Amino acid sequence: QQQVKQSPQSLIVQKGGISIINCAYENTAFDYFPWYQQFPGKGPALLIAIRPDVSEKKEGRFTISFNKSAKQFSLHIMDSQPGDSATYFCAARGSSGAGSYQLTFGKGTKLSVIP
Amino acid sequence: DAGVIQSPRHEVTEMGQEVTLRCKPISGHNSLFWYRQTMMRGLELLIYFNNNVPIDDSGMPEDRFSAKMPNASFSTLKIQPSEPRDSAVYFCASRRTSGGDEQFFGPGTRLTVL
Repeated sequence: QQQVKQSPQSLIVQKGGISIINCAYENTAFDYFPWYQQFPGKGPALLIAIRPDVSEKKEGRFTISFNKSAKQFSLHIMDSQPGDSATYFCAARGSSGAGSYQLTFGKGTKLSVIP
Repeated sequence: DAGVIQSPRHEVTEMGQEVTLRCKPISGHNSLFWYRQTMMRGLELLIYFNNNVPIDDSGMPEDRFSAKMPNASFSTLKIQPSEPRDSAVYFCASRRTSGGDEQFFGPGTRLTVL
C-alpha cells in the first residue's frame, strides 16, 4: 500500500521558472512532512519540513504548502536554477509507535532546470 | 563533524557471494536506519536500530539479509547469499532520537550482483 503518492515523476522547468511538486497522503496519523533533495551519487538530504499546525513554510526559494483537509502538500521552488536539478522526495511520519521513526517516502520527482 | 560514513561506495559481486555493507553513524546519534533504493520501489526502510538494539526489521526482504549494530558507532548489513535482484543502492541514515526529526543519510553503497 503506497501511503504517499508523489507527482509528477519528472519535471522540466526553465531557469527562473517555478517548480511545483505535489504529494498526497492517506494516513491521518502523519504529523511531520519533510522534503528531501538528492543529487546523483549522493544520499538524500533534508531540504525543508513542515508540521500540520501551519499551512505554509518558506525557506529562501523553497516553500511547502500544506492542506490538511485534502491531505496534500506541495513543494514550490521559486526562481528555479540549474543547480536545483536533482530528485526530490516527499515523505511523511507519524508520532507514535512505528510511525514515530518510520519515514514513508514518495517515489520521487526528477527535476531538470534548463538554462 | 563528519557525516554518515558508508563503505564500500561500490560493490560488484557474483550471485551467491556474501556481501557486507558498513556504516558509521554521526557521533551522538542513537537511531540508525538501513534503506534500499531502487527505481521500481523507491526508498524502502529495511531495519531500524535504537540505542544499538534492532527495533523494527519488518522491511528486511528475507532471511538472506541480516543487520547488526555491535556498538554506537558501527553497523553492518549482510546479504548471504546475494542474488541479482539485490542490486540496488543501500543507504544508512542516523538521527538523534530525542529532539531530532532529521535523518542524515550517508552517500550510499551501490551494489551490483551479477
